Amino acid sequence: GDSVTQMEGPVTLSEEAFLTINCTYTATGYPSLFWYVQYPGEGLQLLLKATKADDKGSNKGFEATYRKETTSFHLEKGSVQVSDSAVYFCALRSSGAQKLVFGQGTRLTINP
Amino acid sequence: NAGVMQNPRHLVRRRGQEARLRCSPMKGHSHVYWYRQLPEEGLKFMVYLQKENIIDESGMPKERFSAEFPKEGPSILRIQQVVRGDSAAYFCASSPFLDSEETQYFGPGTRLLVL
Repeated sequence: GDSVTQMEGPVTLSEEAFLTINCTYTATGYPSLFWYVQYPGEGLQLLLKATKADDKGSNKGFEATYRKETTSFHLEKGSVQVSDSAVYFCALRSSGAQKLVFGQGTRLTINP
Repeated sequence: NAGVMQNPRHLVRRRGQEARLRCSPMKGHSHVYWYRQLPEEGLKFMVYLQKENIIDESGMPKERFSAEFPKEGPSILRIQQVVRGDSAAYFCASSPFLDSEETQYFGPGTRLLVL
C-alpha cells in the first residue's frame, strides 16, 4: 500500500541555519504530495503542495520539489526562525483517492 | 469564514464509557474526513463521509467505532466502551468538493484521554 517515510527527528537547529527534512514515498500512479505543519496544541495547517512531477511547492520561505525519479519531496528552508519550531508532516494522496497518507512527523526546534 | 470546528477540545473518559466527538466543517464544505494521531505518530485515516453517506471507512476499527454526517448538524465520531488504547488526538478535516487536487483543511483536534 501507499506509504510515506520521513527523516527521523527530533531536529534541533540554530536560528538562520539551513533546513532539510527528507521525505520519500511509495505509491502507485501519480500522487499529490503535501507538507503540513502542526504547532503545539493545534491542528495541521497546509504548508505547501505539489500535484505533478517536477512541480515546486513554496510558502513562507519553505520549498519542496516533487521528484518522481527518486520518489522524494524533501522540505527545505534557507534560514529558519524560532517561530518555525513545530512538527512537520509529509503526506500523499493517491490519484483517485481522497484520504491522505502521512509520514510519522519530524519535530523541529529552532534555538535563538 | 470560520475554519473547521471541533469539540470538545479535550475529553476525559473512563474505560467502558462512550466518547462522542463533533466536527463542523468549513462553510460550504460537504466532505469530512476523520484521522487519528497516536502519541508521537503521524495521522492515520479513519473514515471519509459526505452528507448522509459513508464513502470510505477502510481505516475504522471494526468494532466500537462509528461515524455519521447527517443532513443537518455536525459530523459525529462515536467510540463505544472506550479502552486506554483509544487515547489519542482525533482530527477532522473538510474539503468543498470531490477533486483530487483539493486541499483538506484540518480542525484543532479533540484530545481523548481514557483513564
